[in-house]
Amino acid sequence: SYVLTQPPSVSVAPGKTAIISCGGDNIGIKTVHWYQQRPGQAPVLVIFDDSDRPSGIPGRFSGSNSGNTATLTISRVEAGDEADYYCQVWDRNSAHRVFGTGTKVTVL
Amino acid sequence: QLVESGGGLVQPGGSLRLSCAASGFTFNTYAMTWVRQAPGRGLEWVSAVSSSGGTRYYADSVKGRFTISRDSSRNTVYLQMNSLRAEDTAIYYCAKEGEIIAMAGIDFWGQGTLVTVSS
Repeated sequence: SYVLTQPPSVSVAPGKTAIISCGGDNIGIKTVHWYQQRPGQAPVLVIFDDSDRPSGIPGRFSGSNSGNTATLTISRVEAGDEADYYCQVWDRNSAHRVFGTGTKVTVL
Repeated sequence: QLVESGGGLVQPGGSLRLSCAASGFTFNTYAMTWVRQAPGRGLEWVSAVSSSGGTRYYADSVKGRFTISRDSSRNTVYLQMNSLRAEDTAIYYCAKEGEIIAMAGIDFWGQGTLVTVSS
């Protein structure tokens, strides 16, 4: 089955940029979505279709996807961005939604 | 709004039916999905059903044991869970997909219902 690999954790100082990778075999030909999950809360969609933002998501969140890596970038990080982040794709071969392993973002 | 119910404590081998009542959007237009999260673990997709109910997908870990369905007259999606195992213990989230199953991001989530499988 298709596997998405994320770094377990990323630490970033307030005001700096957090970059979260999502590795998968030829992921660049798939459509990637990203979710934020704060402690004790349900996930929230922050990026869809590789790089689009739902309404209400700040412009500080951006996404890209090419080759074997998709990336979520959080610019000008704030304390409220501290959360777990998951990438996700649809794998046509297995007819499964696949989530990445998740990355915990810590704001120093 | 998505409101899940039906979670609780069940013995291994037992059954539960989760319900998810939807409001605030045109239910018949959108595919619906279930995602679970075991304690301290990441997100795991479980199952999805198309807007018409005619297409259903399942994770390998639940195929043959779980059944997803929807009732347009009640604006409700269900997850019938049979032959439950300890590893099915998780918070189960009901969520809304796009109009075409599996193509879009999951853009709205319920708050989840806890299922505990234990003797």
